Amino acid sequence: QLQVQESGPGLVKPSETLSLTCSVSGGRISRTSSYWGWIRQPPGKGLEWIGSFYYTGGTYYNPSLQSRVTISVDTSKNQFFLRLNSVTAADTAVYYCARHPASDAFDIWGQGTMVTVSS
Amino acid sequence: EIVLTQSPGTLSLSPGEGATISCRASQSVSSSYLAWYQQKPGQALRLLIFGASSRATGIPDRFSGSGSGTDFTLTISRLEPEDFAVYYCQQYGSLPLTFGGGTKVEIK
Repeated sequence: QLQVQESGPGLVKPSETLSLTCSVSGGRISRTSSYWGWIRQPPGKGLEWIGSFYYTGGTYYNPSLQSRVTISVDTSKNQFFLRLNSVTAADTAVYYCARHPASDAFDIWGQGTMVTVSS
Repeated sequence: EIVLTQSPGTLSLSPGEGATISCRASQSVSSSYLAWYQQKPGQALRLLIFGASSRATGIPDRFSGSGSGTDFTLTISRLEPEDFAVYYCQQYGSLPLTFGGGTKVEIK
């Protein structure tokens, strides 16, 4: 059964870089016809799509974050990553990784990891 | 960007009652690429409906979705205790992918 799990520091200082890892188990990133994405949810608020990628290429970002975000993949480790630069308190949120088949909904989600931006 | 507006923000209902949640899009959602999710505290989000009206694997038939264009609805025919949660709609027909603001279904 395919599963995804987020990991990374729970606290990041303002102006620094937030780095998270999504580990995929029960299937290979490179052997599924799927996109893999990051979504976040500030405390008490709704969901915001950050970006998605397809393992052979093609990465798509939310224009609201595009200047600060990078999504990358390591297929040998079956992991993908999120980097968000120059963070502020507004980036405090639960960050989720998820899978979505091409032209389809997010069907597999991680439990999420809380990241707080504070000095 | 397609903005999704959900209503109501909160529904206060009793177990056994029916629930209807609306999701209105600022522009037409192509190919009815509209999904509904359930969120409970401490749990992974759960896909309920995709393609506006298709139930995801393992989703009980008391959950149904309908609509097209700019108006979509999630209906829960008879609320079970485990259905009290927050529900989100999402469109995946155009970039950026966007979500509605959420509807909390709470016990009355």
